[in-house]
Amino acid sequence: AQKVTQAQTEISVVEKEDVTLDCVYETRDTTYYLFWYKQPPSGELVFLIRRNSFDEQNEISGRYSWNFQKSTSSFNFTITASQVVDSAVYFCALSEAIKAAGNKLTFGGGTRVLVKP
Amino acid sequence: DGGITQSPKYLFRKEGQNVTLSCEQNLNHDAMYWYRQDPGQGLRLIYYSQIVNDFQKGDIAEGYSVSREKKESFPLTVTSAQKNPTAFYLCASRGRNYGYTFGSGTRLTVV
Repeated sequence: AQKVTQAQTEISVVEKEDVTLDCVYETRDTTYYLFWYKQPPSGELVFLIRRNSFDEQNEISGRYSWNFQKSTSSFNFTITASQVVDSAVYFCALSEAIKAAGNKLTFGGGTRVLVKP
Repeated sequence: DGGITQSPKYLFRKEGQNVTLSCEQNLNHDAMYWYRQDPGQGLRLIYYSQIVNDFQKGDIAEGYSVSREKKESFPLTVTSAQKNPTAFYLCASRGRNYGYTFGSGTRLTVV
């Protein structure tokens, strides 16, 4: 069965500091997809990134960057020069590419990020 | 614009009542999902459907029921058998290339 672990429940930083969110996953499948979502206080999930298991290139999008390491089953997320608007709960998620299993998204417990001015 | 519409945004239920949460999508997606989120926790899968007239239990299906009579619609009924229904409920659909779309959610409170 697939599993996602986000060990950090809450991180508090001062604006302009960098913050890294850890995500460790477990899966028996060789083909899978990893995701990061942002959940602001309003509750909706905002999609940030999707990465398939065959693409280990790191990715940067503005102040966001992601480090995917299959060897350690990790998909970590870094916010550079954090801003107050980055305050939210961030979820890492995994979907196995097994249609018979429903291609379900399994979520980690989330990490609450609080950026103080 | 295509997307998922969940209604109502807020729902209050008396103990012992059944309530139904609506989820409608106009994305032409085959697969749809219902998740439950408790305060300070992650999302847990309740039910999912990969095609019309078919659905499967997720990790926490007890006390819930669903139907999938139309591709666009995947309503969730919270029955009186669900002992602790107060939570935030999110509906999602999946398109090609594992693009998941989420609704804006329904907050259910038992009064």
